[in-house]
Amino acid sequence: KAGVTQTPRYLIKTRGQQVTLSCSPISGHRSVSWYQQTPGQGLQFLFEYFSETQRNKGNFPGRFSGRQFSNSRSEMNVSTLELGDSALYLCASSVGTSGREVQFFGPGTRLTVL
Amino acid sequence: AQSVAQPEDQVNVAEGNPLTVKCTYSVSGNPYLFWYVQYPNRGLQFLLKYITGDNLVKGSYGFEAEFNKSQTSFHLKKPSALVSDSALYFCAVSASGGYNKLIFGAGTRLAVHP
Repeated sequence: KAGVTQTPRYLIKTRGQQVTLSCSPISGHRSVSWYQQTPGQGLQFLFEYFSETQRNKGNFPGRFSGRQFSNSRSEMNVSTLELGDSALYLCASSVGTSGREVQFFGPGTRLTVL
Repeated sequence: AQSVAQPEDQVNVAEGNPLTVKCTYSVSGNPYLFWYVQYPNRGLQFLLKYITGDNLVKGSYGFEAEFNKSQTSFHLKKPSALVSDSALYFCAVSASGGYNKLIFGAGTRLAVHP
C-alpha cells in the first residue's frame, strides 16, 4: 500500500496570506490527524477528522481549520499567516479513531512564512 | 492533563552497546503508549506501542520497550545499537477519552558513534 502523501512538500508564503495543505491517507484509513512541529513547541496536535467530521481539536487559534472529504482525503487551511506559523505540518492516518490504532505519518509540508 | 516527559535531550552510545531512551507519562485512565522515530527531513515512523498485556513490547528494527505502571515509564531499549539508529525519538501517549490525539514528548536525539 502507498503511504500517507502530503502536498506540497515545501511552501513559502508571506505574512497575511493564507495557505492550504493537502493530505491523502493510506487506502482504507478513515481517520486523519494533523500535527504542527516546531523547534520551540515540539509536536502539537491540531485536529482529527473521521468520516468527514472533526472529532477533536487542539489548542490553536481559529485561523487554523481543516476538512475531510468523502474519500478521506483531508486539507488544512491557515489564514492570515504569521511568522510563528513557520513549521513542519504533519498529517497522519489510521484505520479507526479509538486512540489504540497506530497513526502512520506522511513526510510533512515545510511551511516558511516570511 | 496528559503529559509525556523525555528527560534527556540527547543520548550518546557506542555502536554495539545497549541503548535506552527514557520516557515517563502522566495520564488519567489506561495509557496507550507509542514510540516513533524521525530521520532528517522525514515524517515520523512507528516503532512500537503498548495498549495492554505483556509489559515488554517488541517492535521494529530490534527495538523494545518496557511498560512500568508503578513508575509511569515506557523506556525504549535496544540490546545492540547501530550507527543507523541515530535519529530523533519521540514517545507519545493517546489522550484520555479516545480519539487519536497524541501527546508527544519533546524528543530525544540518539547519537550512535562508530
